[in-house]
Amino acid sequence: NAGVTQTPKFQVLKTGQSMTLQCAQDMNHNSMYWYRQDPGMGLRLIYYSASEGTTDKGEVPNGYNVSRLNKREFSLRLESAAPSQTSVYFCASSSWGGAGGYTFGSGTRLTVV
Amino acid sequence: RKEVEQDPGPFNVPEGATVAFNCTYSNSASQSFFWYRQDCRKEPKLLMSVYSSGNEDGRFTAQLNRASQYISLLIRDSKLSDSATYLCVRSYSGAGSYQLTFGKGTKLSVIP
Repeated sequence: NAGVTQTPKFQVLKTGQSMTLQCAQDMNHNSMYWYRQDPGMGLRLIYYSASEGTTDKGEVPNGYNVSRLNKREFSLRLESAAPSQTSVYFCASSSWGGAGGYTFGSGTRLTVV
Repeated sequence: RKEVEQDPGPFNVPEGATVAFNCTYSNSASQSFFWYRQDCRKEPKLLMSVYSSGNEDGRFTAQLNRASQYISLLIRDSKLSDSATYLCVRSYSGAGSYQLTFGKGTKLSVIP
């Protein structure tokens, strides 16, 4: 099925561990995004990539890094996980101009203990 | 002040009722607006775009008032399946990208 695929769906990390969240889209979209969603906070932008080869910080980038591997893939890395990074992470993509809005992946539920 | 503000609800309405949500935004440079729907523990999904002239999609009507900086969503003849959180979203373009800012959402529960 066409869309945005995120892996893994669930993850438990210990404080200080590292991990990479993977995201791939097959809709030929130029732009990709990583959001986190916390209770009472709504969706907050972590990083985005307007096009292949570019990445920029969003609202809450501290503690994260990203890589736009190619047009299809955009990964999010936590180098040293902290309990404050316990959240649901969503990847999204859009065509330039975004007339169709964003298409989201199904999310990764991350718990840092 | 949050750029997009919504009443978190919950709105508890009986089946068949009409319910309306409003959302205010603070950035007049906003270009486009959307309503997204998010079911519990699921990803947000685009419900509809919002145009100044107003637009309708079945039982759903969206309206944008740029002068007063608010958008609205009207749901007629509510169904149990309409129970979800509705996210008000504004978009803007800048620095080579197109970005969305999400409200925190309004929770709707449709009761039998």
